[in-house]
Amino acid sequence: NAGVTQTPKFQVLKTGQSMTLQCAQDMNHEYMSWYRQDPGMGLRLIHYSVGAGITDQGEVPNGYNVSRSTTEDFPLRLLSAAPSQTSVYFCASSSGSLDEQYFGPGTRLTVT
Amino acid sequence: GQQVMQIPQYQHVQEGEDFTTYCNSSTTLSNIQWYKQRPGGHPVFLIQLVKSGEVKKQKRLTFQFGEAKKNSSLHITATQTTDVGTYFCAGRDGANNLFFGTGTRLTVIP
Repeated sequence: NAGVTQTPKFQVLKTGQSMTLQCAQDMNHEYMSWYRQDPGMGLRLIHYSVGAGITDQGEVPNGYNVSRSTTEDFPLRLLSAAPSQTSVYFCASSSGSLDEQYFGPGTRLTVT
Repeated sequence: GQQVMQIPQYQHVQEGEDFTTYCNSSTTLSNIQWYKQRPGGHPVFLIQLVKSGEVKKQKRLTFQFGEAKKNSSLHITATQTTDVGTYFCAGRDGANNLFFGTGTRLTVIP
């Protein structure tokens, strides 16, 4: 099992560009989520999904879109990148919403 | 809104000393999880506490959940250099939302 994989590992964008951060898991987990991690602020939930076809907003959803067409994949789309979106992004999955979360290795995004 | 505060933000200890990080919530939590993140790495699940007053141990690590289910602590006995990293608590509210604390970064001086 690869667990939770994320691509790319690093990305630099210019303000206004759009891009998609990929996340995949091979553990057949129903629950997936996206977090951003900024210095001194811990992890903040952006969007989550309780199963294929179902997504919902977390604490900081503005500027991001998600979709969940399959159980395995949960991509995060930045619509128009802004410097405030410079952060480390982690995708996580769990078998249920109350269970331990398995995190991917993260994507370090810089927006100039 | 829900907040989970964690203190201290940083802690430097000599190898062999003990270490404790504290997590406090403004509201009652249904459960609390603890994660460890090594420098440059991703958070890794350590444990989940559910019951009021619960205490769990993992070798040199002791986790407690307060009687009122509003606070928790992680205590490491006799720290080792392998304990270096940031420790996060994550509390779940009644609506099943998970809120991460700001983390405590532990440095162990050999």
